[in-house]
Amino acid sequence: NAGVTQTPKFQVLKTGQSMTLQCAQDMNHEYMSWYRQDPGMGLRLIHYSVGAGITDQGEVPNGYNVSRSTTEDFPLRLLSAAPSQTSVYFCASGRRGQALNTGELFFGEGSRLTVL
Amino acid sequence: DQQVKQNSPSLSVQEGRISILNCDYTNSMFDYFLWYKKYPAEGPTFLISISSIKDKNEDGRFTVFLNKSAKHLSLHIVPSQPGDSAVYFCAASDPWGAQKLVFGQGTRLTINP
Repeated sequence: NAGVTQTPKFQVLKTGQSMTLQCAQDMNHEYMSWYRQDPGMGLRLIHYSVGAGITDQGEVPNGYNVSRSTTEDFPLRLLSAAPSQTSVYFCASGRRGQALNTGELFFGEGSRLTVL
Repeated sequence: DQQVKQNSPSLSVQEGRISILNCDYTNSMFDYFLWYKKYPAEGPTFLISISSIKDKNEDGRFTVFLNKSAKHLSLHIVPSQPGDSAVYFCAASDPWGAQKLVFGQGTRLTINP
């Protein structure tokens, strides 16, 4: 049972490059989201989706793009990487009822991104 | 503006004793509070939650207390075990967007043998 799978686990980019962080879940969860974790700041929501074809912005969406064409996948695109986007990124999923009512989420192992 | 704050970056407790992790919040509209536990190189895992209509929730060694008048919640771990050493995040959600969890900065708990 894979749960939430993120790839790649590590990535180094140069300023201005673009890339996509992949996220897939096999639990048939309606809700998916992306968070970033920075030292001393906890996790901050970037984008989220409550179902295929529906996405919305979180707290820190600038510089990121998402789409949700299937229930299973929720890729995060960095359009033009900047050093401020150096962070650890976590994808999370949840059942619509639980995620929307209680916030109980299942997280991936994270993707560590460094932008030089 | 940090709506959820964990003011202790770290906490060290002896094995077998009680660990108490604290969390303060500013938004009175939050109606669900959660604790997540995170080991190095892993994603956070859900630990326990509490609704704002309750003041206590227990799950085995873990108990969460909510004091709405003080906008404060705490996580008690009794007895503490070495495997409890991890970073603990407090999180909160409001009635209109449980999908928009707001996290605290985290507290690193170390259990000493």
